[in-house]
Amino acid sequence: AQKITQTQPGMFVQEKEAVTLDCTYDTSDQSYGLFWYKQPSSGEMIFLIYQGSYDEQNATEGRYSLNFQKARKSANLVISASQLGDSAMYFCAMRDLIQGAQKLVFGQGTRLTINP
Amino acid sequence: GAGVSQSPSNKVTEKGKDVELRCDPISGHTALYWYRQRLGQGLEFLIYFQGNSAPDKSGLPSDRFSAERTGESVSTLTIQRTQQEDSAVYLCASSLALAAVYEQYFGPGTRLTVT
Repeated sequence: AQKITQTQPGMFVQEKEAVTLDCTYDTSDQSYGLFWYKQPSSGEMIFLIYQGSYDEQNATEGRYSLNFQKARKSANLVISASQLGDSAMYFCAMRDLIQGAQKLVFGQGTRLTINP
Repeated sequence: GAGVSQSPSNKVTEKGKDVELRCDPISGHTALYWYRQRLGQGLEFLIYFQGNSAPDKSGLPSDRFSAERTGESVSTLTIQRTQQEDSAVYLCASSLALAAVYEQYFGPGTRLTVT
């Protein structure tokens, strides 16, 4: 069974600093996808970034990058130059790419607070 | 274009009553998913549809939960004889297809409170 672990229930960072949100995963699958979602206080889930297990390059999307270390089964999200609007819950998730890819398995989330 | 919409946005119901939650996916998205998020928790997968077919119902918490989808359009999640433990935000998502490379677009959720 797949499992996502996010060990940081809360993070506090000063505005403009970079922040790394930790995510480790457990799976016996060879092909899988890793996702990060942002959930502001309004409740919607906003897709941030995707990394495929066979992608050799770390994924980047603007200020977001995914530090993918396959051997360590980690997929940490790095936010550069943090902004006040980055304050939100952040969820790491994974999907099996072979078995019908029918669901995302989510971690418990990290609440990020950006201080001015 | 319009995103995923869900209705109602909030629902308060008495224990034992039935509730029906609605999801309108993005037009053209063949895959649709339901998740549940309890307060302070991550998302828990419930069920997915490929077209109007739901091949795997094992994620539904109990037989009080059921879901259906009309073609590649609206889906409803029905909870019968609601219990207080059913209180949660129910999120719907859709994706262009079932393949994992397609991101899931989430709706705003329905906050269900069972009193």
